[in-house]
Amino acid sequence: SSELTQDPAVSVALGQTVRITCQGDSLRSYYASWYQQKPGQAPVLVIYGKNNRPSGIPDRFSGSSSGNTASLTITGAQAEDEADYYCNSRDSSGNPLFGGGTKLTVL
Amino acid sequence: QITLKESGPTLVKPTQTLTLTCTFSGFSLSTSGVGVGWIRQPPGKALEWLALIYWDDDKRYSPSLKSRLTITKDTSKNQVVLTMTNMDPVDTATYYCAHRRDAAAGHYFDYWGQGTLVTVSS
Repeated sequence: SSELTQDPAVSVALGQTVRITCQGDSLRSYYASWYQQKPGQAPVLVIYGKNNRPSGIPDRFSGSSSGNTASLTITGAQAEDEADYYCNSRDSSGNPLFGGGTKLTVL
Repeated sequence: QITLKESGPTLVKPTQTLTLTCTFSGFSLSTSGVGVGWIRQPPGKALEWLALIYWDDDKRYSPSLKSRLTITKDTSKNQVVLTMTNMDPVDTATYYCAHRRDAAAGHYFDYWGQGTLVTVSS
């Protein structure tokens, strides 16, 4: 199916590790990219490809993939990581496809 | 430094056609592997990909909106234009344009404009 499914909300204690997942058939064929969006701001790319971080993205952000599931892991979550996170991949036609987003709360 | 900026009307009436322009700098839309996409986000909702145009003029559209969308590029002006016909209040959203890179390392939107809020109301 041409859908990417994310948990609507996830919480993590300050300094702990959190994994945000994205499920979809297309992830068996294509890498996911991950975007962080804070209120009132445009999305920011945080992970792309196998596990690549754009310049300026802290190394506590990492990506992985297994089967039909891609994951974004934040190791040692900080207060400033509280945001919405979206995965993006491609559908069966090769067109971009976004997940429904995960709201991360840092407690 | 890559930058993109969206421009267009902030208010359109139902049934009207929306025309948005993305003006960019710092890259050429003639470079292999490069594209510009449009993504929208209704208030409080998720991102939705709309359309994408590549350096070779390959054009892609969201299947659910394909009949209403047209994307074009003017490489000499560093602009990409999106038109959406028959606007409806449900199309009220912030519209973003973004730089797209298709490479061996992956496919992703690595630079985004600030977005422009379009409200559809009579």
